Amino acid sequence: AQKVTQAQTEISVVEKEDVTLDCVYETRDTTYYLFWYKQPPSGELVFLIRRNSFDEQNEISGRYSWNFQKSTSSFNFTITASQVVDSAVYFCALSEVFRVKGNQFYFGTGTSLTVIP
Amino acid sequence: DTGVSQDPRHKITKRGQNVTFRCDPISEHNRLYWYRQTLGQGPEFLTYFQNEAQLEKSRLLSDRFSAERPKGSFSTLEIQRTEQGDSAMYLCASSLAEQGDHYEQYFGPGTRLTVT
Repeated sequence: AQKVTQAQTEISVVEKEDVTLDCVYETRDTTYYLFWYKQPPSGELVFLIRRNSFDEQNEISGRYSWNFQKSTSSFNFTITASQVVDSAVYFCALSEVFRVKGNQFYFGTGTSLTVIP
Repeated sequence: DTGVSQDPRHKITKRGQNVTFRCDPISEHNRLYWYRQTLGQGPEFLTYFQNEAQLEKSRLLSDRFSAERPKGSFSTLEIQRTEQGDSAMYLCASSLAEQGDHYEQYFGPGTRLTVT
């Protein structure tokens, strides 16, 4: 079963529009971590945010904000006033804590965001 | 402050040949991971090391694949008798693991393997 689902395969927005990328995860653990990564056309995955399962506070960092809701197992990512440089593939990932041999990341299939100037 | 580096960045090989990739993690990181990423997919976990010990291997890692991290610093990933299905981007990541927490992984630029 897919542990991380990113249902939106591709999204296109016009510059300055807001856009929300959805992430739904599945785990039986009570303690886990969620992450968002950005993969620009150059290819290198760039870490954006980490969230643990006990911290449901929403977070804002500049134009980026994250909405974590355990009740719906979702960790959505919003870009406000999008810019062309935001064009990339965005991955959501899950890390479960109580594994015998340490953490492994489960990545979603990614959402490709295109910001049109 | 240097990040994770991988060498080579691109490799083209003929089916049946062996290839070896190298990863140099961030120096203070004790965990090192290998992933494979194919077009349109997220990275898939292959294996990881804590220092020099290989602690977990995915079922994706067939017996043609072997990874080492001999001194707990750089790591190599070898694929023997390559097949066309091995064509992918091979990503290395490192992290600082301390008891009771799971830190983010930092990724290298990847090695793109093409098997012809």
